[in-house]
Amino acid sequence: AQTVTQSQPEMSVQEAETVTLSCTYDTSESDYYLFWYKQPPSRQMILVIRQEAYKQQNATENRFSVNFQKAAKSFSLKISDSQLGDAAMYFCAYRIPPYKYIFGTGTRLKVLA
Amino acid sequence: DSGVTQTPKHLITATGQRVTLRCSPRSGDLSVYWYQQSLDQGLQFLIQYYNGEERAKGNILERFSAQQFPDLHSELNLSSLELGDSALYFCASSKQTGGETQYFGPGTRLLVL
Repeated sequence: AQTVTQSQPEMSVQEAETVTLSCTYDTSESDYYLFWYKQPPSRQMILVIRQEAYKQQNATENRFSVNFQKAAKSFSLKISDSQLGDAAMYFCAYRIPPYKYIFGTGTRLKVLA
Repeated sequence: DSGVTQTPKHLITATGQRVTLRCSPRSGDLSVYWYQQSLDQGLQFLIQYYNGEERAKGNILERFSAQQFPDLHSELNLSSLELGDSALYFCASSKQTGGETQYFGPGTRLLVL
């Protein structure tokens, strides 16, 4: 089955600290793309970062970086120097050929001042 | 602002009724995707269109249908509505159908009473 698992329904982090959100997925495909989306209280879906499965180098985007372990089918998101504005639901997703996107159930991140 | 527009923002209707949700993709984007997000749930992929043609189907009910018009805007039609259809419906767009990023609209919140 093609699934995405986010095992942490909720996480908390102190402002300015670092937090890691976990994501595992299950696919038999070799060519796919992985994404992290952020959904703040406004409910808007905002792309945080994306990773191509064929690339070994982990993607980074400012304070956001991923730890992509292809063999383990793991795709965790690290947020450094957490800010109050990072508080949101975070969804892990992947795209498999031809055009299907699968989303996890999300992790709610709370940032404590 | 992602550049994807959705109308209406909110919709309240009764069971058994039919509604139409509209989406305009970002300028230059040929692909449109529809998602359903029930309360505190992840996103369920419904359907995708590319340049007017259906390209992928997810967990879309037979009571639901969609189309993409020559000007690339898309409509999602929901009929014989049930209480369980109450959800946030997102439209997303991307340039083509590869692994490129999807950009999400603000969503239409549907409440079925």
